[in-house]
This record gives sequence, C-alpha cells and structure tokens, in this order.
Amino acid sequence: DTGVSQDPRHKITKRGQNVTFRCDPISEHNRLYWYRQTLGQGPEFLTYFQNEAQLEKSRLLSDRFSAERPKGSFSTLEIQRTEQGDSAMYLCASSPIGLAGDQYNTGELFFGEGSRLTVL
Amino acid sequence: AQSVTQLDSHVSVSEGTPVLLRCNYSSSYSPSLFWYVQHPNKGLQLLLKYTSAATLVKGINGFEAEFKKSETSFHLTKPSAHMSDAAEYFCVVSDLFSGGYNKLIFGAGTRLAVHP
Repeated sequence: DTGVSQDPRHKITKRGQNVTFRCDPISEHNRLYWYRQTLGQGPEFLTYFQNEAQLEKSRLLSDRFSAERPKGSFSTLEIQRTEQGDSAMYLCASSPIGLAGDQYNTGELFFGEGSRLTVL
Repeated sequence: AQSVTQLDSHVSVSEGTPVLLRCNYSSSYSPSLFWYVQHPNKGLQLLLKYTSAATLVKGINGFEAEFKKSETSFHLTKPSAHMSDAAEYFCVVSDLFSGGYNKLIFGAGTRLAVHP
C-alpha cells in the first residue's frame, strides 16, 4: 500500500504527558498537512508543509503543539503537556504540487487513516 | 470568511432509493468545492470536486453534485443508494484568497445510513 500512513493509530495517555504522532506521506508528494477532527465535527486545518518548510499554522495550534518535517519526507506532530481537550483524531494528508504552484493544484488531498488520541 | 453548512447531520435511505445530501457554502470569491467521504476506520477519500468548470460534476461510485451559485449550494446526489454508500460525507470549500487549496474548510458532516 503506497498511501499515507500514520502511527500510532491509537494513543491513550494521561493528562500532562507528551505524545508524538508520525505521518509518512505518499512519496513524491511535496505538501503535507495536519488536520484535527473532534467527535461530530469535520476536520480542522492545523498546519501544512511544502517540502521541509512549515508555511502556515492555524491559531488552533497552541504553543504546546509542534510539527516538523525535517527532510521533506515524513512528519511528526508533538503535543506537550496534553490536556483532555486535545482528545481528537489527528489526520495527516499529502498532495502533489502542480507545475505552476496553486494554479494547477487540483485541490485533492490524500488522507491517512488518522491517529486517535485519548487524554485521560 | 468562507464556511460550509451541511443541512442534515443524519440521512437515512433505503437501498435502491435516491440520495440527497445538502450543502450550502459561503465564500468571498469564486470557491472550489469538494465532497469527501469517510468510511469507518478508513481515510477520507475525495468523491468529486468543482473548480469553475462544468457546474454539474460527476464523481466516483455514481455520485454527482451541482454547483448553483445563485443558491450558494453544492448538493450531493446519487440515483440509487447501495449498502456500501453508508459513511460520513463532508462538504468542503477552499478559495485561493483564503489559503487556497492549502486550507480546506470542512462542514460538520452528514452521516448516511442505508437500510435493506
């Protein structure tokens, strides 16, 4: 399977602990995105990378959250000092970049199955 | 600011009957609109997209949607429901002046149930 893979699929942690999620995008996809989905809601944008550069961060991404994509391939999302409100599904997606940037970007994102976080 | 409203949180149909999932959007500029589907324990999958070409868009698995600018709607339809269509459906908007394709705005979702 050459789709987007996320690890771990499920994580249960106690409040105050740190957690890290990993995302492996589809190879050759330059763009990588993180979204968060809470129960009964649609996914919400958190941040995105073009290659190794983090180009945009949502205001939802507090200082306790940090995302990296050091070599422009896989990405990690770390949450420090977790709170119960962090409980959610964390979704990773990737997309190719068009020949002329956004103008030719089809807008299709390829999503992984998500990492579900439960903070007790 | 752009936003998406899915008018029904749950829709229930019988197998073989038509499906209608309703979506209204708000966008300052010409939007691009999408429908994504999420099956249990599966990643979100693109069903179809509208990007200022034909207003009637055909997608995978027999789904289609019509962009109506005057009504700011992008409803999803299918003539005959199949059991495998049971899933969560998300209407999504993006526009080039608010993050472009890099930032998709999702509706809250509509859960479709299909009964034998």
